Amino acid sequence: EADIYQTPRYLVIGTGKKITLECSQTMGHDKMYWYQQDPGMELHLIHYSYGVNSTEKGDLSSESTVSRIRTEHFPLTLESARPSHTSQYLCASSEPSTGGEQYFGPGTRLTVT
Amino acid sequence: GNSVTQMEGPVTLSEEAFLTINCTYTATGYPSLFWYVQYPGEGLQLLLKATKADDKGSNKGFEATYRKETTSFHLEKGSVQVSDSAVYFCALRDSNYQLIWGAGTKLIIKP
Repeated sequence: EADIYQTPRYLVIGTGKKITLECSQTMGHDKMYWYQQDPGMELHLIHYSYGVNSTEKGDLSSESTVSRIRTEHFPLTLESARPSHTSQYLCASSEPSTGGEQYFGPGTRLTVT
Repeated sequence: GNSVTQMEGPVTLSEEAFLTINCTYTATGYPSLFWYVQYPGEGLQLLLKATKADDKGSNKGFEATYRKETTSFHLEKGSVQVSDSAVYFCALRDSNYQLIWGAGTKLIIKP
């Protein structure tokens, strides 16, 4: 059973606030990913990491930033939230040696008012 | 470049009907192929996968066969249930171990 956790599950916050979405995995995977998704719609890769101190931007431009100081932890930060950031954020991890499939957390549903 | 095309949804079926969700891909080489399922309010779960041509992935009554000649990986189930209502995503794994995603197909099963 894959163990990847995201907190909070739901967040409603006002414009201009700084927020951090947490993502942790206990599988020791090197690769981790953040996706943005309007519910039930297409997935957009916004950040990924191939290991500690490695972060890259994905296909969709995002005002968020990420860090990877520990293998198990991959937080995403928005310095100043705006209504256009309202979306669902999904975190995932993978390990090439086991087939490369990605394991997903339950997601964080963010609403910026 | 690599890409995945899925049939547009929503697909609406009655319970016990036969399901096919089409997925075709464009890729160099022979990538691994995946089907994921997303239930309302949740993250994605791996449903099945195939790693080489003619492989058949199966899980929970769903099947998909890796067809190299037609570059397809269609998802099928013989008899759907209301609990199968979800969004289904087809994906391929590229050489950098990134997943290239289809747009998703919403499936609605009516009792």
